[in-house]
Amino acid sequence: GESVGLHLPTLSVQEGDNSIINCAYSNSASDYFIWYKQESGKGPQFIIDIRSNMDKRQGQRVTVLLNKTVKHLSLQIAATQPGDSAVYFCAENSSTQGGSEKLVFGKGTKLTVNP
Amino acid sequence: KAGVTQTPRYLIKTRGQQVTLSCSPISGHRSVSWYQQTPGQGLQFLFEYFSETQRNKGNFPGRFSGRQFSNSRSEMNVSTLELGDSALYLCASSRLTSGKGETQYFGPGTRLLVL
Repeated sequence: GESVGLHLPTLSVQEGDNSIINCAYSNSASDYFIWYKQESGKGPQFIIDIRSNMDKRQGQRVTVLLNKTVKHLSLQIAATQPGDSAVYFCAENSSTQGGSEKLVFGKGTKLTVNP
Repeated sequence: KAGVTQTPRYLIKTRGQQVTLSCSPISGHRSVSWYQQTPGQGLQFLFEYFSETQRNKGNFPGRFSGRQFSNSRSEMNVSTLELGDSALYLCASSRLTSGKGETQYFGPGTRLLVL
């Protein structure tokens, strides 16, 4: 079945370090990927996305890398701050024929930033 | 621009009861999707609506249903509640102007507890 998974359930980093969160996906036909951040008691918040015709995309302090050969996605956070502490999810947009939108989520990585 | 809003934010029900949750998408967004989030299963797709039509449905029993109104607002209903239905129910909206693979923005969710 389709699935999007994460390699590590938890990640602990020091404030100021760079963080790398990884994700593996299984549907080679997927062409759109999104990273979300979820803080306690809140809904997932959009961070950055990437389409399959790209292998890298940069935002403010965040970079997403896509390796379609091995079906791997990663999120890099530069100069990690305490406010970055949250659970991070990768999601695969599994648009069906007709354009229906459906996200398949990984299980999430809990990032803890130590001061 | 206001984000996705969901009401109520918290709900306590007993087994056998039914519940209706409401979602107002971001203004101009035409697609509304619903997800269930639990510690054990993570984020799982329930269904997606566009122009008052359900276009895709996840692997949930028929007790879970939904609808979308002409103003794009959506409701989901769960009948004959079971203990396992306790979860955070999330609504997400997207513009869906290109017909495929658009960013979904999430609301804060409705926390449902079934006793």
